[in-house]
Amino acid sequence: GAGVSQSPSNKVTEKGKDVELRCDPISGHTALYWYRQSLGQGLEFLIYFQGNSAPDKSGLPSDRFSAERTGGSVSTLTIQRTQQEDSAVYLCASSLGLVGNSGTDTQYFGPGTRLTVL
Amino acid sequence: GDSVTQMEGPVTLSEEAFLTINCTYTATGYPSLFWYVQYPGEGLQLLLKATKADDKGSNKGFEATYRKETTSFHLEKGSVQVSDSAVYFCALIQGAQKLVFGQGTRLTINP
Repeated sequence: GAGVSQSPSNKVTEKGKDVELRCDPISGHTALYWYRQSLGQGLEFLIYFQGNSAPDKSGLPSDRFSAERTGGSVSTLTIQRTQQEDSAVYLCASSLGLVGNSGTDTQYFGPGTRLTVL
Repeated sequence: GDSVTQMEGPVTLSEEAFLTINCTYTATGYPSLFWYVQYPGEGLQLLLKATKADDKGSNKGFEATYRKETTSFHLEKGSVQVSDSAVYFCALIQGAQKLVFGQGTRLTINP
């Protein structure tokens, strides 16, 4: 079946512009996660959705970052007034959203969006 | 808070060598442990996982055993191939929540 997809795959923008990154999770997955991968910081958690609500936004680095999820499916991560330090690969993951008999909830990752802020 | 510490890289080995990448963790409760792999130009893929103490995860010749007494989850492979060249990430999770990753270890296998 189809995996997690993300668009665009690459985005180059100028400092100060707004950008929107999109994630389509695996069908039937109720949980959706955004992470950021950058050279200096490694892999960092940004935000977690269960359905359309976000019980954990603790990783969003500033109020310029926001995310929403509609219909329990597609999610959009928006970065306003981009800065050069926002340059990174933004990864989306999805999971079933429940801890089953295996005792864990495995996350499956998309290919990422590489954001470059000039 | 929870954290994961990985062996620093980069690691360079010859083909058919034995591989160990060390991973230790700090966590409250009883996390599940994972190894993810990122091949050049590709996204993160789940390599293996273990959900409780003494569990052994295995896949593609790689193995890791969940050691609660040493809070470790070291990745091993008996005979590496050039195609194993990638970045390897150790990670933990508690319940249906965020993954906490180690810093990643870049592995290069020379023919």
